[in-house]
Amino acid sequence: EPEVTQTPSHQVTQMGQEVILRCVPISNHLYFYWYRQILGQKVEFLVSFYNNEISEKSEIFDDQFSVERPDGSNFTLKIRSTKLEDSAMYFCASSVAGIGDQPQHFGDGTRLSIL
Amino acid sequence: QKEVEQNSGPLSVPEGAIASLNCTYSDRGSQSFFWYRQYSGKSPELIMFIYSNGDKEDGRFTAQLNKASQYVSLLIRDSQPSDSATYLCALGRGANNLFFGTGTRLTVIP
Repeated sequence: EPEVTQTPSHQVTQMGQEVILRCVPISNHLYFYWYRQILGQKVEFLVSFYNNEISEKSEIFDDQFSVERPDGSNFTLKIRSTKLEDSAMYFCASSVAGIGDQPQHFGDGTRLSIL
Repeated sequence: QKEVEQNSGPLSVPEGAIASLNCTYSDRGSQSFFWYRQYSGKSPELIMFIYSNGDKEDGRFTAQLNKASQYVSLLIRDSQPSDSATYLCALGRGANNLFFGTGTRLTVIP
């Protein structure tokens, strides 16, 4: 069964450094998402991406965050200057169509630890 | 009022019993509802989705949706120890994002 793959599985970064989290969505999927989950808390939506542009973003997704689809397979989340509170699990998800029509499938996540 | 409310649990049921997980939501405009299972330290795994009032069955799982009462539930029949996990209720919100509840932790006792 096709999977969403994420790398790295664990990223440790000094506060203030830039970090890039990578995702390869399922190949025939057109919608891509990033979510985060702070330890012990709920899963929170960050951003959705379709047709090479952001379609929705949450209040969490401020100017420190950006997303990109640099080629036909990868989907990346960049945090420009990391803060301690950015420590969380970051999940990439993808779906064939928008949320009203098709469910989202999640990758295994990247655990981001900011020191 | 929280947008998606779930009892955090833990909910404990004996092996073979029916586990009933409930979720209420505040946005009457919500149209799509999802149940995800999340093992500790792992990613959410889709179990079921439901869009219409009524019941939807898939194997041992049944999702129930009542839009008038603004609740959605998940029944797990013949519960197994491997079903022990946190179950996340999520609503489709906006065009493209999911709004998750905090989850209910289920423990199935052998």
